[in-house]
Amino acid sequence: DAGVTQSPTHLIKTRGQQVTLRCSPISGHKSVSWYQQVLGQGPQFIFQYYEKEERGRGNFPDRFSARQFPNYSSELNVNALLLGDSALYLCASSIRTSGSSSDTQYFGPGTRLTVL
Amino acid sequence: AQKVTQAQTEISVVEKEDVTLDCVYETRDTTYYLFWYKQPPSGELVFLIRRNSFDEQNEISGRYSWNFQKSTSSFNFTITASQVVDSAVYFCALRSEETSGSRLTFGEGTQLTVNP
Repeated sequence: DAGVTQSPTHLIKTRGQQVTLRCSPISGHKSVSWYQQVLGQGPQFIFQYYEKEERGRGNFPDRFSARQFPNYSSELNVNALLLGDSALYLCASSIRTSGSSSDTQYFGPGTRLTVL
Repeated sequence: AQKVTQAQTEISVVEKEDVTLDCVYETRDTTYYLFWYKQPPSGELVFLIRRNSFDEQNEISGRYSWNFQKSTSSFNFTITASQVVDSAVYFCALRSEETSGSRLTFGEGTQLTVNP
């Protein structure tokens, strides 16, 4: 079975631009979470979606938004890019958001965003 | 507040040595879950183990073992007879549903280098 897939792999943008990152969860997984990982640090939680509804939001500005589609894939949008948005953006999927091991999050390879 | 501390930023060992990665966590919740992930240079976080707060049994999986001690709020990870392929950044993570829902709170990671 395919794991979590993300596109694009790499992206270079300039300050002020907007970017959309895409994620496809593991088949059968209904929850998608987004994390930002700045170089040399641990991932920081941005959003979680389950069954197309937002279930959690981290401490990120309103420039960050996301949505989940009926097929459970997800997009992360970032507007008005800043140099500090340069990071690896990781998507993770899980079967559900809680319950036994169904909440275990499996991560994709990430999208490396560079803002110049 | 949730917090995970991985005090060891970098560890370097020679192949076949045993190595222990430390993880200390903070949470006020009585029910919580602890995870370890491996991040090779490719960037994808690879799930290694999930442990809930009610299960303090140590676990062994091949060369990997985990020691969970609630009394010291620690969840340490030992690799026995390390191999070059174990070189990666290892992250410890915490999920406390009462306080922070399904989001994972990560430590800063430990860079493990296994030299031949």
